[in-house]
Amino acid sequence: GAVVSQHPSRVICKSGTSVKIECRSLDFQATTMFWYRQFPKQSLMLMATSNEGSKATYEQGVEKDKFLINHASLTLSTLTVTSAHPEDSSFYICSARDRGPTEAFFGQGTRLTVV
Amino acid sequence: GQQLNQSPQSMFIQEGEDVSMNCTSSSIFNTWLWYKQEPGEGPVLLIALYKAGELTSNGRLTAQFGITRKDSFLNISASIPSDVGIYFCAGPRGTGGFKTIFGAGTRLFVKA
Repeated sequence: GAVVSQHPSRVICKSGTSVKIECRSLDFQATTMFWYRQFPKQSLMLMATSNEGSKATYEQGVEKDKFLINHASLTLSTLTVTSAHPEDSSFYICSARDRGPTEAFFGQGTRLTVV
Repeated sequence: GQQLNQSPQSMFIQEGEDVSMNCTSSSIFNTWLWYKQEPGEGPVLLIALYKAGELTSNGRLTAQFGITRKDSFLNISASIPSDVGIYFCAGPRGTGGFKTIFGAGTRLFVKA
């Protein structure tokens, strides 16, 4: 399968600071990238969908000003958690897909801990 | 709504046993996907199903796309300890089917 690399795998930050998470497709062009959030023992909840070169589409209840998504190229999308608070601590996972109704491939995830 | 109902929630089995889990929806899906997630990792695609009635195998894993297009099952035969993880069913939703939504997952525990 295609390779999606997510960085960092773990990050600890202080409350009030911002954290950037990168998601890269290594061997294909990611026309669309998705960002998910997963709480312990729960399923993946879609936060937003981004298409290269356009603004991200956020799911209901997700604050777009808090979770900034940039998809500036066909191989890179970033999620910035702004003014992080302890309740933002979670496992964030990106996935990427090429054009058409193909399956998406996932990054390794980023464990964010806000202290 | 566009929900996937996955069961069972968890399974505790002995090594060598066969496992079956399923996913249902009140809506029709054109694709069914089965993923496995291990602790601290992102999900990995196991099997993708694109056609109603399709039965697909990947090693000891077999999945079927229900004929009504509203359900799918995943079987694991002769389980081994490394089968431990969370198994998710998933399917495309939204305009053009570009979003992927997930079931709640089935946690599999295998005792050696």
